[in-house]
Amino acid sequence: EAQVTQNPRYLITVTGKKLTVTCSQNMNHEYMSWYRQDPGLGLRQIYYSMNVEVTDKGDVPEGYKVSRKEKRNFPLILESPSPNQTSLYFCASSPPGQPRSGYTFGSGTRLTVV
Amino acid sequence: GNSVTQMEGPVTLSEEAFLTINCTYTATGYPSLFWYVQYPGEGLQLLLKATKADDKGSNKGFEATYRKETTSFHLEKGSVQVSDSAVYFCALRGGAGGFKTIFGAGTRLFVKA
Repeated sequence: EAQVTQNPRYLITVTGKKLTVTCSQNMNHEYMSWYRQDPGLGLRQIYYSMNVEVTDKGDVPEGYKVSRKEKRNFPLILESPSPNQTSLYFCASSPPGQPRSGYTFGSGTRLTVV
Repeated sequence: GNSVTQMEGPVTLSEEAFLTINCTYTATGYPSLFWYVQYPGEGLQLLLKATKADDKGSNKGFEATYRKETTSFHLEKGSVQVSDSAVYFCALRGGAGGFKTIFGAGTRLFVKA
């Protein structure tokens, strides 16, 4: 089944403790992206990647890092999480070279930083 | 820059009622337009899309027509069901914005039995 898999689904952590949210897709998509979803603010793009080793900042990149060493994986790294990063996070991917294509989204990761 | 505006919710309807969720956009170039649906506790799913003016996207009884003259992409369904209760997002991608997807704020729909 074609899908984007995120882990974990739920995570509670403490301020300053480094964490990684994994994202993997099995559709050979080149474009991958991370979003956060907050009440009243909608979906905001954190980082995106056009291909392996090609990443760029989205609208709200502060406090986050990403890497793209393989086409299928696009982990989101929070080096020193803070409470304002408590949010619902989504990974998404889309086919290569096709801005007309929509995204396939993961199921989401609900992160709470205390 | 590109932007998407959709009607604020929540929208509450009775089963079998007609649904319209308004969406307008501002964009340069010729973007593609999308509707996504988010069911409770889940990620967003692509519901339908249209890639050029006058195209009609349709899926699961939902329809939307790409209207360049009114810069709109309103979502409609003739007879909603309780299972349609969800949050609906209008989005655009492409045109001068390249690969970036711009999402509207989302409209929550409640359908009562």
